[in-house]
Amino acid sequence: KAGVTQTPRYLIKTRGQQVTLSCSPISGHRSVSWYQQTPGQGLQFLFEYFSETQRNKGNFPGRFSGRQFSNSRSEMNVSTLELGDSALYLCASSFGSGDFNEQFFGPGTRLTVL
Amino acid sequence: GIQVEQSPPDLILQEGANSTLRCNFSDSVNNLQWFHQNPWGQLINLFYIPSGTKQNGRLSATTVATERYSLLYISSSQTTDSGVYFCAVDGSNYQLIWGAGTKLIIKP
Repeated sequence: KAGVTQTPRYLIKTRGQQVTLSCSPISGHRSVSWYQQTPGQGLQFLFEYFSETQRNKGNFPGRFSGRQFSNSRSEMNVSTLELGDSALYLCASSFGSGDFNEQFFGPGTRLTVL
Repeated sequence: GIQVEQSPPDLILQEGANSTLRCNFSDSVNNLQWFHQNPWGQLINLFYIPSGTKQNGRLSATTVATERYSLLYISSSQTTDSGVYFCAVDGSNYQLIWGAGTKLIIKP
C-alpha cells in the first residue's frame, strides 16, 4: 500500500510570491492534516480536513489556506510569502473517524523563501 | 490545552547502549504516538500506544495512561537510530499535540 505522498519535495520562492503544496493520502484515508515545522517553533498544526470539510484550523494568518478534494487529496496555499514561512511542511493522513486515528506522515515539502 | 513534555532533550550514546525516553502529558488522551524523525525530515511511525506495552524489534514502548506518561525504550542502539524522537497526543478537535522531541545521537 502506497504511503502519503507530497509534491513538490523542495521549493524556493521569493517574498511576496504564493505557493501551492499538494498531499495525497494513503488509500482509504479520508482525513488530511497539515503541520509546519521550523527549528524554533517545532511542529505547529495548520489545519485538518475530512471529506472536503475543514474541521479545525491552527493559529496561522489568513495567508495560509487549504482545501480537500473528493478523492481526499489536499492542497495548501500560502499567499504573499514572508521569510518566516521558510519551513518543512508536513502532511499526515488517517482514517479520521472512530477511535482509531493513527496518523501517517508524508516526506514533507521543504520551502525556502528568499 | 494539553501539554506534552519530553525528556531528556538531548542524549548522546555509544553504539550498543540502551536508552529510555520519556513523554509526560497533562490530561487524559485517546491517542499517543511515537515518531522518529530522520535527518531528511521524514517522520516514521514507531508506535500507536494510548495504553499498555508494545514491542517492535529493539524498540518497545509503554504508556501508563492513568499516570499520564509514556516511555520509549531503545536497546542495543545503532547509528541509524540517530535522529529526533517525538511523542504526540490527540488534542481536541482533530489535531496532534507535540512534545519538543528528544535528539538522539548514537556514536560508532
